[in-house]
Amino acid sequence: QVQLVQSGAEVKEPGSSVKVSCRASGGTFGNYAINWVRQAPGQGLEWVGGIIPIFGTVKYAQKFQGRVTITADESTATAYLDLGSLGSDDTAVYYCASPHTEYQLLSNFDYWGQGTLVTVSS
Amino acid sequence: SSELTQDPAVSVALGQTVRITCQGDSLRNYYASWYQHKPGQAPVLVIYGKDNRPSGITDRFSGSRSGNTASLTITGAQAEDEADYYCNSRDGSGDHVVFGGGTKLTVL
Repeated sequence: QVQLVQSGAEVKEPGSSVKVSCRASGGTFGNYAINWVRQAPGQGLEWVGGIIPIFGTVKYAQKFQGRVTITADESTATAYLDLGSLGSDDTAVYYCASPHTEYQLLSNFDYWGQGTLVTVSS
Repeated sequence: SSELTQDPAVSVALGQTVRITCQGDSLRNYYASWYQHKPGQAPVLVIYGKDNRPSGITDRFSGSRSGNTASLTITGAQAEDEADYYCNSRDGSGDHVVFGGGTKLTVL
């Protein structure tokens, strides 16, 4: 059973960047994709992007291209979401999520982190 | 705008059957997955693939697909089924993930 544990809540100023982490346990970290999904207040779920650490394959939603970077550190079994040029509409709960199947980036999300609230405010 | 379209809200009487739908052209080529999301909790995968339930998910949940429409059926709805339900799949290019806008299910 994979477990995903995320870093704590963040408050950021407009125009700055935020880095959220997601530490995995219970599986071979590099073989399983880590995706990032967010939910803004009163809104639905939105895919941000994902990575398969062992291949270094990364995909981003077009909406975030140019200001998002997803990385992974196999030595610590941790994935990171780095989002820049923050605006108030980036205020959201950010989740990491992983499939049950190895080597599948764009797959269903069986396991989820607890979520990290990112608040963008001056 | 989402490439997957869901009805914003659906209601069902306790113990009755309800179908939640998700429409999108990409569903002709890719199966949808379905997630139950309750306030303050992480989403939970309830259906994936043709009609597969992860371990621990009640068999009251089932999935199907016809043309460009995927459906989640809850048979004998219970009070604990009240939640937001989201479908997701790949987009038209097949290269990205997209979520539907979500359906708020009320159990009366």
